[in-house]
Formats: sequence, C-alpha cells, structure tokens
Amino acid sequence: AQSVTQLGSHVSVSEGALVLLRCNYSSSVPPYLFWYVQYPNQGLQLLLKYTSAATLVKGINGFEAEFKKSETSFHLTKPSAHMSDAAEYFCAVSATSGNTPLVFGKGTRLSVIA
Amino acid sequence: KAGVTQTPRYLIKTRGQQVTLSCSPISGHRSVSWYQQTPGQGLQFLFEYFSETQRNKGNFPGRFSGRQFSNSRSEMNVSTLELGDSALYLCASSEVVRVEQFFGPGTRLTVL
Repeated sequence: AQSVTQLGSHVSVSEGALVLLRCNYSSSVPPYLFWYVQYPNQGLQLLLKYTSAATLVKGINGFEAEFKKSETSFHLTKPSAHMSDAAEYFCAVSATSGNTPLVFGKGTRLSVIA
Repeated sequence: KAGVTQTPRYLIKTRGQQVTLSCSPISGHRSVSWYQQTPGQGLQFLFEYFSETQRNKGNFPGRFSGRQFSNSRSEMNVSTLELGDSALYLCASSEVVRVEQFFGPGTRLTVL
C-alpha cells in the first residue's frame, strides 16, 4: 500500500527566507506525486505534480519539488517566502496505473513571519 | 471552464439527522471523489464515482453513501449524524484520478 509522510505539522519561516516542506513516500514502484495547497476556508489547489518526466518539477507561485527515488522523497521548496504563502500544504501519492485513489499526507501548516 | 462547485457551503445539523451534500464537477469530468477533512484525521478518502458507478470506497461506515447522476453531478449522504461527523467535506473531479484532481471549496458540516 502507498503512504505519505510529511515531516513537521507546522513550519514557520521569515518573509524572504527559504521554504522547505518535507515529504517522503512509500511505494513498491515509483509513483505519481503531488503537492497541493489549501488556503483557509478553501479547497485544495494543485501546486505541482511529478508524473515520471523530469525529476525537478516547477509549479505555480515559485514553488518547485525534486523527486529523489533513492531517498523516496519529494520535498517542496521556494527560494523566498512571501506572506501570501501562509497556508496548509499537502503531499499526495498515486499509482501510475489503475484507478486507486490519491493518498494524502497529514499536511504541513506554513506560517510566514514578517 | 467553471470549476468544481459544492452546495451548500455551510450546514448545521443536530445528532441523529441526515444530510445530503452536492457536487458539480468540471464539465467533461466523469470521475468524482469525496473526502472528509478533520483536524485530527486529516484528509480521508470517502469514495469515488465514475460514470454513475462507485469505483472505490474508503474505510467509512455504511452511514456514508453517495451516488452519481448521468450528468456526472454527485451527491453524498450521511445518515444518523454523529458529533464526529463534523468536518469539511471536499469533492474533487478529474478525467483521470491518478493524474490530477480538481477540488471544490468544500461543505463545512457542523453537527450539534
């Protein structure tokens, strides 16, 4: 069975500092991986996805993530945090075939301090 | 294209009542998935419908049910509500589940 672990339920960074949100997955074969963002009182919005193409994936709002098979990781980064980045971030994994549902991590709340 | 819409956005019910939530997917999307989001359990998969058939089901009691109509709109029903059913219920639609899902804003259910 696939699973996702997000290290750190809450991360706090200063405005302008590097954002690093950690995600490790468990899967018997390389999966598809996703990062979603959720702002208060809203649904989830896709930030970026890895679907077996380039291992460094660029997403919206300046975020990017790197798929590292050897480390079973898919960490999310942004060089310079902005106040508007404060939100909850979810990592998710899916199989590369079939119709099994996405499996989400518990989420990481990002706070940005002025 | 219009996004995923969910109605109502907020709902207050009392224990023992039942509730029906509605989801309209993006035009052309035949897959609709439902999730329950709570602070303690995070995002938990409820079920997925594709072309009016339930294709996947999460680990929830039979009080939680759903259906999908021929126009791909979906409803979920929770009977005999319990306090623990208070949550944000999210609907997501997709062409192919494993590639990308588009989420609606959710329905906030409060059970008193």
